[in-house]
Amino acid sequence: NAGVTQTPKFQVLKTGQSMTLQCAQDMNHEYMSWYRQDPGMGLRLIHYSVGAGITDQGEVPNGYNVSRSTTEDFPLRLLSAAPSQTSVYFCASRATSGGYGEQFFGPGTRLTVL
Amino acid sequence: GNSVTQMEGPVTLSEEAFLTINCTYTATGYPSLFWYVQYPGEGLQLLLKATKADDKGSNKGFEATYRKETTSFHLEKGSVQVSDSAVYFCALSSNNAGNMLTFGGGTRLMVKP
Repeated sequence: NAGVTQTPKFQVLKTGQSMTLQCAQDMNHEYMSWYRQDPGMGLRLIHYSVGAGITDQGEVPNGYNVSRSTTEDFPLRLLSAAPSQTSVYFCASRATSGGYGEQFFGPGTRLTVL
Repeated sequence: GNSVTQMEGPVTLSEEAFLTINCTYTATGYPSLFWYVQYPGEGLQLLLKATKADDKGSNKGFEATYRKETTSFHLEKGSVQVSDSAVYFCALSSNNAGNMLTFGGGTRLMVKP
């Protein structure tokens, strides 16, 4: 199993540009999520999905869109990039519905917005 | 809402020293508690977890006990190694937001030979 994969690893955007961060998992997990990591703030939840066709907002959803058309893929779209979105983005997946289940994280995408 | 507070780093120790990283939380209900570790340039990996009060999670020599009375989940290791150098995150999950994780700010540990 490849686990959770993310592309690209690095990206530089100009303010106002749009892009999609890709996330895929091959573990048949129902639960997937996106977090952003900023210095001293840990990881904060952007959006999450509890199954194909179902998404919901997390703590910091503004400026981001998601969709979940398949179990495997959960792309994150930046509609109009802003410097405040410079961060490291992690995708994660989890098998169980309960909060005790382990989340598996991808390697991250480092995004810089100029 | 839920929140996790952990000691700021960096924590610098010599090899074989004793490690404690403090973590306290605020949550409604009965959250599950986790410690994740992030090695340089990598994603997060689950280190250990505890799902109810008085549970002790352990892995690779690390331990943490779920203390409901003090709302704490402190990470300890009796003898650290250089290879333990990483960033450690305390986290909880509860019944809101699809049981997704709420993280502390992370603590960087540096172990010197």
